[in-house]
Amino acid sequence: AQKVTQAQTEISVVEKEDVTLDCVYETRDTTYYLFWYKQPPSGELVFLIRRNSFDEQNEISGRYSWNFQKSTSSFNFTITASQVVDSAVYFCALSEESWGKFQFGAGTQVVVTP
Amino acid sequence: ETGVTQSPTHLIKTRGQQVTLRCSSQSGHNTVSWYQQALGQGPQFIFQYYREEENGRGNFPPRFSGLQFPNYSSELNVNALELDDSALYLCASSPRGDGYTFGSGTRLTVV
Repeated sequence: AQKVTQAQTEISVVEKEDVTLDCVYETRDTTYYLFWYKQPPSGELVFLIRRNSFDEQNEISGRYSWNFQKSTSSFNFTITASQVVDSAVYFCALSEESWGKFQFGAGTQVVVTP
Repeated sequence: ETGVTQSPTHLIKTRGQQVTLRCSSQSGHNTVSWYQQALGQGPQFIFQYYREEENGRGNFPPRFSGLQFPNYSSELNVNALELDDSALYLCASSPRGDGYTFGSGTRLTVV
């Protein structure tokens, strides 16, 4: 069975601080896909990144970066120089397919104050 | 602006009633998935439809059912509503093999 654990329920930071969100996953599949989504108060899930199990390269996109470590089954997400607009709930998700049928973690609420 | 529209945005129902939630996807999005998100939790996969056929189901009882139509719209039906069915219901659609777009959801409250 697949499982995604986001141990941090809420993280509060002051603007311009860095914040790292932890994600640990469990799966028996050798091929799988990991995702991060952002959920603002409006409710829709906004796609941030997808990574397949064979690609362990770290990725940076603007102020966002991701660290995928297969050896520890972790896929952590860092927001550098946080901004108030980063305030949202962030979900890590796992899928055996390239898209769809996601197993989501419980989410981490990020609160960025000015 | 999201390409997935869900209606209604909010709904209040009484325990034991039936409810239909609707999702309108972009043209060409022949895959649709439904998720249930209880307050403070991550979304839980209900089921997926591909070209109007069910293509995978999560751990939900048969009183949760769905339909997908040729015009890329879909429905989630829930019979015999229970208090625990209160949640945000999210629809996501995809042009198979490409990224999913999520709607803003329907907030269902069962009293």
